[in-house]
Amino acid sequence: ETGVTQTPRHLVMGMTNKKSLKCEQHLGHNAMYWYKQSAKKPLELMFVYNFKEQTENNSVPSRFSPECPNSSHLFLHLHTLQPEDSALYLCASSQGDGYQPQHFGDGTRLSIL
Amino acid sequence: DQQVKQNSPSLSVQEGRISILNCDYTNSMFDYFLWYKKYPAEGPTFLISISSIKDKNEDGRFTVFLNKSAKHLSLHIVPSQPGDSAVYFCAATFRMDSNYQLIWGAGTKLIIKP
Repeated sequence: ETGVTQTPRHLVMGMTNKKSLKCEQHLGHNAMYWYKQSAKKPLELMFVYNFKEQTENNSVPSRFSPECPNSSHLFLHLHTLQPEDSALYLCASSQGDGYQPQHFGDGTRLSIL
Repeated sequence: DQQVKQNSPSLSVQEGRISILNCDYTNSMFDYFLWYKKYPAEGPTFLISISSIKDKNEDGRFTVFLNKSAKHLSLHIVPSQPGDSAVYFCAATFRMDSNYQLIWGAGTKLIIKP
């Protein structure tokens, strides 16, 4: 079993749909992250949770809403997305802060019709 | 404005030779650097890191060199193996107050030719 599990692996949705991405980590880490990866662009950090508290929100549009009910689970709720939101969404976890290596899930490939 | 730049989108190297992946940065506040490797359809995996107080860190076939004055770091892989074919990301971090910034490069695709 991988340390960080993301579901679903692929998601196709219309602009008016509501869906959620799920991430679960089995590593006992206290920090979790959501990233967006668009083609040929650097990873963009979207949200950071440390001990369930959100510590970073890098000006992400409100149509993306994170939820961290405990230190092992992280959700990204999606609502009224735009075509430019089509990307690979990666979840990661680490023990501590950005100085510790992050462990990534395999991502959710999101396509907005 | 990209603070971490990987100017080579791709690199092709013969198996057994040395692969050198480069990364430049602009922010002098970065004090820790990490390299990650990513296979298709998988998330990135951590490879090796270096603190700004060092100029070299080695782990098996992988060595990272840091030149602070040039704001440049490089990852050396020797000897290169077919399994090294992947996309390599450079990332840099620094702490500001109680938060930290982690900035990623766009990646370099390494192709190892048999």
